[in-house]
Amino acid sequence: NAGVTQTPKFQVLKTGQSMTLQCAQDMNHNSMYWYRQDPGMGLRLIYYSASEGTTDKGEVPNGYNVSRLNKREFSLRLESAAPSQTSVYFCASSARTVTNEKLFFGSGTQLSVL
Amino acid sequence: AQSVSQHNHHVILSEAASLELGCNYSYGGTVNLFWYVQYPGQHLQLLLKYFSGDPLVKGIKGFEAEFIKSKFSFNLRKPSVQWSDTAEYFCAVKITGAAGNKLTFGGGTRVLVKP
Repeated sequence: NAGVTQTPKFQVLKTGQSMTLQCAQDMNHNSMYWYRQDPGMGLRLIYYSASEGTTDKGEVPNGYNVSRLNKREFSLRLESAAPSQTSVYFCASSARTVTNEKLFFGSGTQLSVL
Repeated sequence: AQSVSQHNHHVILSEAASLELGCNYSYGGTVNLFWYVQYPGQHLQLLLKYFSGDPLVKGIKGFEAEFIKSKFSFNLRKPSVQWSDTAEYFCAVKITGAAGNKLTFGGGTRVLVKP
């Protein structure tokens, strides 16, 4: 049971470079999320996708774009990376957004922007 | 690698009852500890965190947690729950000083408070 798979696990970028973080889940979940985790600040929601074909901004969407490619995959793109985007990124999924459904997390991607 | 265990998967209780959710982790070094909550239809929110100092930490909405290093535990408590505390609760651990800032989450505990 793979659950939620994120790639890459580690990445170092130079300011201005672009990259895409990949996330896939094999649990047939409708909803997927991207969070970032920064020291002393806990998790903050970047974007989420309640269902295939829809995406919505979270608390801190600036500088990011997302694509819900299909039900399984939800990618996060940094078009022009900035040092402020140095963080650990977590993808998560859940069966539904409305009810009290369990969140499943990926193992995280540690991103450093120099 | 460190792991985080939340022993209760589901908890059902009545309003005004006391709540305690267990969290144990398996790392012998220095850690930062967190409790997150996800209310129905919402994203995760930080309830409280422990970095250093007083091992009894107070968070939002009347929650508190106690870090007991000898027991590798960080249990969450609330003396008197309300219906609005119905949610899923996640414990998380971060190793301090290690490369990276990754959080390791427990499996979550779903809490249902009956009115």
